[in-house]
Amino acid sequence: EAQVTQNPRYLITVTGKKLTVTCSQNMNHEYMSWYRQDPGLGLRQIYYSMNVEVTDKGDVPEGYKVSRKEKRNFPLILESPSPNQTSLYFCASSPAGALSGANVLTFGAGSRLTVL
Amino acid sequence: GIQVEQSPPDLILQEGANSTLRCNFSDSVNNLQWFHQNPWGQLINLFYIPSGTKQNGRLSATTVATERYSLLYISSSQTTDSGVYFCAVEQGRGSTLGRLYFGRGTQLTVWP
Repeated sequence: EAQVTQNPRYLITVTGKKLTVTCSQNMNHEYMSWYRQDPGLGLRQIYYSMNVEVTDKGDVPEGYKVSRKEKRNFPLILESPSPNQTSLYFCASSPAGALSGANVLTFGAGSRLTVL
Repeated sequence: GIQVEQSPPDLILQEGANSTLRCNFSDSVNNLQWFHQNPWGQLINLFYIPSGTKQNGRLSATTVATERYSLLYISSSQTTDSGVYFCAVEQGRGSTLGRLYFGRGTQLTVWP
């Protein structure tokens, strides 16, 4: 089944404890991206990647890192999480570009992160 | 970056009613998509509609790119239409390719 898989789905952690949220897709998509969703703010793009070894900042990259060493994986790293990073995170992928050429942007199920 | 404004922020309907959701954007874009987030949080593609009109069952969408807005129409609404509707845009040119901007969404509640 074609899908984007995020792990963990739920996580409660403490300030300063490094964590990684993994994202994997099995559709050979070139484009992958991360978003955070906060009440009343919609989705905001954190980072995106047009292809392997190519990453760019989105709207809210501060406090996050990403890497794209292979096409299928795009992990989101919080080196020193803080309470303001408590949020619902989504990973997404598409064949090429975010929406370009009517490519369908496929989202993962989301990861709810709480930083105490 | 591009500002994306959606209205209304909240909408409460009786089953069977019709509704129109609006998305305004501050700059020219090459790509626009409507999404539905169901009550379980899942994000679902509705329409890719950078210009023109499309219909899919009870839902239809129109984008007037020259005037920088898009409309999503829901007819004969059902309780399963409840959730949040998002508009997202991408300029899709050169260095802006991949840079995606979402509106804050319209929270739709349909009562039986």
